Amino acid sequence: EAGVAQSPRYKIIEKRQSVAFWCNPISGHATLYWYQQILGQGPKLLIQFQNNGVVDDSQLPKDRFSAERLKGVDSTLKIQPAKLEDSAVYLCASSVGTGPQGYEQYFGPGTRLTVT
Amino acid sequence: AQKVTQAQTEISVVEKEDVTLDCVYETRDTTYYLFWYKQPPSGELVFLIRRNSFDEQNEISGRYSWNFQKSTSSFNFTITASQVVDSAVYFCALSEAQRGSQGNLIFGKGTKLSVKP
Repeated sequence: EAGVAQSPRYKIIEKRQSVAFWCNPISGHATLYWYQQILGQGPKLLIQFQNNGVVDDSQLPKDRFSAERLKGVDSTLKIQPAKLEDSAVYLCASSVGTGPQGYEQYFGPGTRLTVT
Repeated sequence: AQKVTQAQTEISVVEKEDVTLDCVYETRDTTYYLFWYKQPPSGELVFLIRRNSFDEQNEISGRYSWNFQKSTSSFNFTITASQVVDSAVYFCALSEAQRGSQGNLIFGKGTKLSVKP
């Protein structure tokens, strides 16, 4: 079974530029997550989708970050304009479902973003 | 408020030593889930275990074992006879199961384990 796919793996941009990351979850997984992992810290949830709907985006900096999952399968996370503090690894994860049962999340390899 | 604390930032051991990674959590919920993930140098988080708050039995999987103690709010992870391939950052995570919860994971800051040959 194919895992969570992400691209690109690495990206270097200058501040104020825009960037987009792509994620394709495990086939059949209804829930998709985007996390930001700053060096030396644990992942922090940015946004969670259930199929093509947003269920939690409370920690997404909406003035510069946006995400979509139009057909309920793959997803794109965009940053515009980027700031130096956005330098991090952006992880995508998926799970079978969502809810208080606490489903296991399966992670992709991440995209390492460097903003100069 | 929910919180996960991994007090050990880095641990270094020699191959074949046993090592325990500590995890202390805070939650007001009576129903919750605890997880451990491994992040090798490649960067991809690998799921290791999920436990619910009603199951305090210790679990063993090969060289890995987990000790869940609600009385001390701890969910510690032990690797027996460590190997170089165990070198990674290990994260403990918490998911609360209150009404309306979407099962979001709250991660600790991780413990970097280095196993030297």
